[in-house]
Amino acid sequence: EAAVTQSPRNKVAVTGGKVTLSCNQTNNHNNMYWYRQDTGHGLRLIHYSYGAGSTEKGDIPDGYKASRPSQENFSLILELATPSQTSVYFCASGDRFNQDTQYFGPGTRLLVL
Amino acid sequence: GDSVTQTEGPVTVSESESLIINCTYSATSIAYPNLFWYVRYPGEGLQLLLKVITAGQKGSSRGFEATYNKETTSFHLQKASVQESDSAVYYCALGLQGGRALIFGTGTTVSVSP
Repeated sequence: EAAVTQSPRNKVAVTGGKVTLSCNQTNNHNNMYWYRQDTGHGLRLIHYSYGAGSTEKGDIPDGYKASRPSQENFSLILELATPSQTSVYFCASGDRFNQDTQYFGPGTRLLVL
Repeated sequence: GDSVTQTEGPVTVSESESLIINCTYSATSIAYPNLFWYVRYPGEGLQLLLKVITAGQKGSSRGFEATYNKETTSFHLQKASVQESDSAVYYCALGLQGGRALIFGTGTTVSVSP
């Protein structure tokens, strides 16, 4: 069964600290995505990747970096975390051969104090 | 631009009542987008509820139905008789094909009371 996992599930960080959110997928999908979800907003795209070694900016990339070292793994990095980055982050995988269907991880709840 | 607008929540319904969540879309970069409903149950990630990729077709899953209406650019989600286990956040989404990221509505929180 297709699976996307995220770690950590919950994270408390301090302002100015570095945070790394990890995502792993066993779907063998080429594409992976990072979204954040805030009250009153739909899921908003931060970064995405079309395969190992590639990262692309999404709609709200400021303050975030991404890394795709392998087909299975996609990380989101907050070099200098700010309270405005407090949110729930979702990772997803998908590919163009599946009519845009994406498979999501369980989410990471991040609190930046 | 491309966007999705859906019923603002929260929506509260009683068990066995009917539910409809409205969703309309704007797709300027593609004539026939793929349309999705995702659901997020408490404590879980988003799950695909149903999808329709052909205008005029209906998708169904777990008692929910949605019809892809190209004329009204709508994709409303309906269920005739809800259960308490349907309490969740429902997201309408637009796919622009080619593996690009989905465009989501803001989500509708549904609470079903016993």
